[in-house]
Amino acid sequence: DAGVTQSPTHLIKTRGQHVTLRCSPISGHKSVSWYQQVLGQGPQFIFQYYEKEERGRGNFPDRFSARQFPNYSSELNVNALLLGDSALYLCASSFRSWGMNTEAFFGQGTRLTVV
Amino acid sequence: QKEVEQDPGPLSVPEGAIVSLNCTYSNSAFQYFMWYRQYSRKGPELLMYTYSSGNKEDGRFTAQVDKSSKYISLFIRDSQPSDSATYLCAMSEAGGTSYGKLTFGQGTILTVHP
Repeated sequence: DAGVTQSPTHLIKTRGQHVTLRCSPISGHKSVSWYQQVLGQGPQFIFQYYEKEERGRGNFPDRFSARQFPNYSSELNVNALLLGDSALYLCASSFRSWGMNTEAFFGQGTRLTVV
Repeated sequence: QKEVEQDPGPLSVPEGAIVSLNCTYSNSAFQYFMWYRQYSRKGPELLMYTYSSGNKEDGRFTAQVDKSSKYISLFIRDSQPSDSATYLCAMSEAGGTSYGKLTFGQGTILTVHP
């Protein structure tokens, strides 16, 4: 079975630009979460979507937005990129959004570099 | 103070050693506890998933949760060079407004040398 797939794997953008990152969850999983991981730190929660609705939002500015599609895939959008947005962006999928069966499985991530 | 504290190491052990990794936390609402392994420039891989207090064993890995002390541990027996990676602890609440949000520790860098 395919795991969580993310695209692209690497991306270089210029300050002020916009970026869209994509994620396909494990088949049958309805919840997708996004995390930002800065080098040397643990992942930080950005968003969670379940059944196409936003269920959780971390402490990130409004420049960050996301959505989930009817097939449960998801996009993370970041506007007006800053140098500090350079990080590994991780997508995680789980069967449910909370309670039991919420083991989160991560994709390989998209490494974003802002120059 | 961070919600989850994890000693970043680095930790270096000889092959075959028993490795002990641990995290402390401050949020008493955490009910689910996970350990992930992350190789360089890769996504985290789920190793162990436990609910509430107690022990769970899977092959060479044993996870322990002590909710009374707000302390969790991961033990690796017969460590191998292939275990060299960053180990992340993660926790989540059972519901409420936080839903399935995972709160991670900083990660411990482990090197197992032959």
